[in-house]
Amino acid sequence: DTGVSQDPRHKITKRGQNVTFRCDPISEHNRLYWYRQTLGQGPEFLTYFQNEAQLEKSRLLSDRFSAERPKGSFSTLEIQRTEQGDSAMYLCASSLLGLAGRVGDTQYFGPGTRLTVL
Amino acid sequence: AQSVAQPEDQVNVAEGNPLTVKCTYSVSGNPYLFWYVQYPNRGLQFLLKYITGDNLVKGSYGFEAEFNKSQTSFHLKKPSALVSDSALYFCAVRDIVRNFNKFYFGSGTKLNVKP
Repeated sequence: DTGVSQDPRHKITKRGQNVTFRCDPISEHNRLYWYRQTLGQGPEFLTYFQNEAQLEKSRLLSDRFSAERPKGSFSTLEIQRTEQGDSAMYLCASSLLGLAGRVGDTQYFGPGTRLTVL
Repeated sequence: AQSVAQPEDQVNVAEGNPLTVKCTYSVSGNPYLFWYVQYPNRGLQFLLKYITGDNLVKGSYGFEAEFNKSQTSFHLKKPSALVSDSALYFCAVRDIVRNFNKFYFGSGTKLNVKP
């Protein structure tokens, strides 16, 4: 299967601990996105990479959050000093910016990492 | 501000009946519109999208959606619902004028298809 994969699928941590999530996009996709989804809500955009460059960050992404995509392939999302309010599903998506330019690149989502902060 | 609204938290339909899940949007310029489905403890699966052209878009699993510019709507439809269609459905819009990389999702509509 060549879909988007995320690891771990579930993470339980204590408040104040650091956590790191990994996302492996579809192999030829050059764009990668992170979203956060809380219960009863749609996904909220966090940040976006094109290749290895982080081109946009949401105001939701506080200083405790950092994301990297060092080689333009997999990405990591780290949350430092976790808070109970960080409990959510963290979704990764990827897309391909093709020759057609920005038109219509569909985002394909991974299964998500569910974070519970105690 | 860019936004997507799904006015119904839940839609109930009997198996075999047609279904409609509503979505309205508010963006500057022409929108790119998407529908995704989410099963429990799973990520979002792409169903269909509208970019340009025919206002009726056909997608996966027999779903289709109708783009209506005057009503700023993009309702998801299926002629005959299946119990297996029961899931959470999200409408999303990508604003190509202000920020073409960002998706704005609705709050989701839970579809219940009863046998």
